[in-house]
Amino acid sequence: DGGITQSPKYLFRKEGQNVTLSCEQNLNHDAMYWYRQDPGQGLRLIYYSQIVNDFQKGDIAEGYSVSREKKESFPLTVTSAQKNPTAFYLCASSLTGVQEKLFFGSGTQLSVL
Amino acid sequence: AQSVTQLDSQVPVFEEAPVELRCNYSSSVSVYLFWYVQYPNQGLQLLLKYLSGSTLVKGINGFEAEFNKSQTSFHLRKPSVHISDTAEYFCAVTLEYGNKLVFGAGTILRVKS
Repeated sequence: DGGITQSPKYLFRKEGQNVTLSCEQNLNHDAMYWYRQDPGQGLRLIYYSQIVNDFQKGDIAEGYSVSREKKESFPLTVTSAQKNPTAFYLCASSLTGVQEKLFFGSGTQLSVL
Repeated sequence: AQSVTQLDSQVPVFEEAPVELRCNYSSSVSVYLFWYVQYPNQGLQLLLKYLSGSTLVKGINGFEAEFNKSQTSFHLRKPSVHISDTAEYFCAVTLEYGNKLVFGAGTILRVKS
């Protein structure tokens, strides 16, 4: 079955540590997105990529980094510069852009130890 | 820049009653509008979308929404809800040629028996 796989489901970060969230899709979609979800705030865009080897900052990119070396993969690194990383992180993809249906992964809950 | 306001953070309703979840957006140019649903600890699923054409849009699970350009609204409705409709619902907007999808803060629908 085609879809988006996020791993791990739960992740814990120590102070000063970088952690990487995985996002893989087998839908052959060009566009991929990372959103952060905090209770009562909806989803906020961290980074997006419309094509391999290219990505743009979203609204809250500070303290995060991404790469897009392969079409099917869009990992997100939460760096030590992100002082409030506890949140639910959602990865999504669409065929070419946001005007189409976004397919979401099941999310990663990141917490600080 | 576009923005989305979901007017109710929580909506309690009895099973088999009708429900309306309100969404207003702000934009000076043409937009595309979406409603997504999120069940606990899962990613989001598309309920319906408005791109152009008829202002009444029908989606999955018996939901529908009406685009009102003069009131800049895109309210979601269902004539008779079920317990299984308990979830969080997100309204989202993008510009016609935009590359970002902006989400509202979400409305939690609680269906009671």
